This record gives sequence, C-alpha cells and structure tokens, in this order.
Amino acid sequence: EAGVAQSPRYKIIEKRQSVAFWCNPISGHATLYWYQQILGQGPKLLIQFQNNGVVDDSQLPKDRFSAERLKGVDSTLKIQPAKLEDSAVYLCASSPLNRRTGTTYEQYFGPGTRLTVT
Amino acid sequence: RKEVEQDPGPFNVPEGATVAFNCTYSNSASQSFFWYRQDCRKEPKLLMSVYSSGNEDGRFTAQLNRASQYISLLIRDSKLSDSATYLCVVNRGTGANNLFFGTGTRLTVIP
Repeated sequence: EAGVAQSPRYKIIEKRQSVAFWCNPISGHATLYWYQQILGQGPKLLIQFQNNGVVDDSQLPKDRFSAERLKGVDSTLKIQPAKLEDSAVYLCASSPLNRRTGTTYEQYFGPGTRLTVT
Repeated sequence: RKEVEQDPGPFNVPEGATVAFNCTYSNSASQSFFWYRQDCRKEPKLLMSVYSSGNEDGRFTAQLNRASQYISLLIRDSKLSDSATYLCVVNRGTGANNLFFGTGTRLTVIP
C-alpha cells in the first residue's frame, strides 16, 4: 500500500517569498492533517480536514498560512509571505475514519517537506 | 502549561539495558494515548497505543495512570536499532480528534 506522499522534500526560500507544499494521503483515508515540526520539538497540528471540510484550524496562523483540500483527496498548504520562524519540517498525515464512532485510527505520516527560510 | 511534557533526554544506554521514559499530560479529559517513534530526519511512526490496563509488545511496555495523568514506556534489552526519539502523544478527543505531541525523548543505545 502506498504511503502518504509529499512534495517537495526540501525547499529554500527567502523571507517574504511564498511557498506551497503538496500532500497526497493514503487512498481512502478521510482525515488529513498538516503539522509543523520545528527542530527539537514535537509536531504541532496546524490544520485538520475531514474529507474536504476543515475540522480544526485553531493553531493555523491564518494571516500567512492557508490550506485547502479540494475534492477531499490531495491537499496544499501555502505560506505567504514566509518568515524566518517558519523554518521547519511540514508533515502531512492521514488516517481512516471510524464511521460508527467518528473517531480516527492511527495517523500515518508522510516524509515531510523541510523548509528553510533565509 | 504544555499539553504534553516529556524529559527531552538524551538518554545514552548500553545495549541490553532497560530504559524508561515518562510523560505527563495536562488535560484530564484526554481520551487516548500513544507512543510514536521518530528516527533522525524521518517522519513519526506509531510504536504502540497505551491502554489503562497497560500493554506489552515484545520488549516494549506502555502504562497509563489516569489519576496522575502520567504515561510511561519501558524498553527492555535495548538494541542499537532502538536509537531514536520517542514521542509521547495524547488525543484530547474533543471532537477534533487531534493529537498533541510531546517534544520527544532522545534515546541512543551504545554498543
């Protein structure tokens, strides 16, 4: 079974530039997550989708970050404009949904996109 | 106070040693708990879920104490391949089903 795919794997940009990351979750997984992991810290949830609807974006800096999941499959995360403190690994994860209980099972992570803002 | 707190380590132990990691969480309403493993420059992967009754998977034992809001992971007979960062993860389960990750505890098993 193919895992969660992300691209690009690495990106270097200057501050105030824009950048976009792409994620393709595991086929059939209803729930998709974007995390930010700063060096030396655990992943922090930015946004959670269930199908194409946003479930939680309370920790997404909405003045510069945006995300969408059109058609409930692939997702893109955008940063515009980037700041130095945005340097991090951006992880996408997906999980299947228990339709009976509405809870999610194990999250499967993609390899991440390592962003460096100079 | 952070949602999830862990001792960041690093823990350097010889092969064959037993090592224990601890984790505390702040939200008493948290519903499910996990240990994830993250190798250097890799993505996190689920190691095991943590149940109230405690659970064991080979050399790994996880325990949960809801009263103290405390989670532990015990690794027996450490192998070189156990070297990684171990992330304590708590699902608040308030409908969003989102996970809160600790900062991770770094383990190095030395030959």
